[in-house]
Amino acid sequence: GQNIDQPTEMTATEGAIVQINCTYQTSGFNGLFWYQQHAGEAPTFLSYNVLDGLEEKGRFSSFLSRSKGYSYLLLKELQMKDSASYLCAVTPGSSGSARQLTFGSGTQLTVLP
Amino acid sequence: SQTIHQWPATLVQPVGSPLSLECTVEGTSNPNLYWYRQAAGRGLQLLFYSVGIGQISSEVPQNLSASRPQDRQFILSSKKLLLSDSGFYLCASAPDRANIQYFGAGTRLSVL
Repeated sequence: GQNIDQPTEMTATEGAIVQINCTYQTSGFNGLFWYQQHAGEAPTFLSYNVLDGLEEKGRFSSFLSRSKGYSYLLLKELQMKDSASYLCAVTPGSSGSARQLTFGSGTQLTVLP
Repeated sequence: SQTIHQWPATLVQPVGSPLSLECTVEGTSNPNLYWYRQAAGRGLQLLFYSVGIGQISSEVPQNLSASRPQDRQFILSSKKLLLSDSGFYLCASAPDRANIQYFGAGTRLSVL
C-alpha cells in the first residue's frame, strides 16, 4: 500500500523560513509533488521532483531523497498569504500511464505577524 | 495553457436525490482526468481516473460513478445520494498525459 506522512500543523512568523517535511512509502516511485491549498479553495501546483536534489522556484524550494523516501518544502521570506495547507503527493511506480496521485493529509501552516 | 471548468460551485441536495457534476477542459487534448473528494479537514481521496474516452477506473467502492463521453469532458454521477457523499469534489487534469495534475475550482456538495 501507499503511505505518506507529513506534520498536521506548523506555525511560523512572517519573514521567517519554514521547512515542511514529507516521508513516503510507496510501491515504486514516479515523482513527488507539492500543492498549496488555501481554505475553501482548490489545490494549486507548487513543485515536482523526480530526481534527487533541490528544485528552487522563487521563495519556494523542494528537496527529494528517493533512497530515504523523504522530501521537504522550504518556504523563505514567509508572507501572511502563505498561510495555507501544503499537500505532499506521490505517483507510485505502479501507476502506469494513469499517473494517479496519492496525497498526504496536508500540513496546515499558519503565518503569524 | 489549459483551463478546467467545474460547475456548480456549490450544491445542496437531499438524501436519495441524483447527482451529476460536470468537468470540462480547454486548451489541451487527450488529458488524463481525475475526480477527487475531500471531506472537511481531510486529505484528497482519488475516486476515479480516466486515460481516454470511455475508459474509467475506480479507486474505491462507493455510491458514485463516472463517465467520459468526450475527450475533454468528465462527469461524476450518483443515482441516490447518501449523507456520506457530502464533501468538496475536485476535478483534475494532466494535460497530454504529463505528470502534473491541475485542479478545477471544485464543487462543494452538501447532502441533507
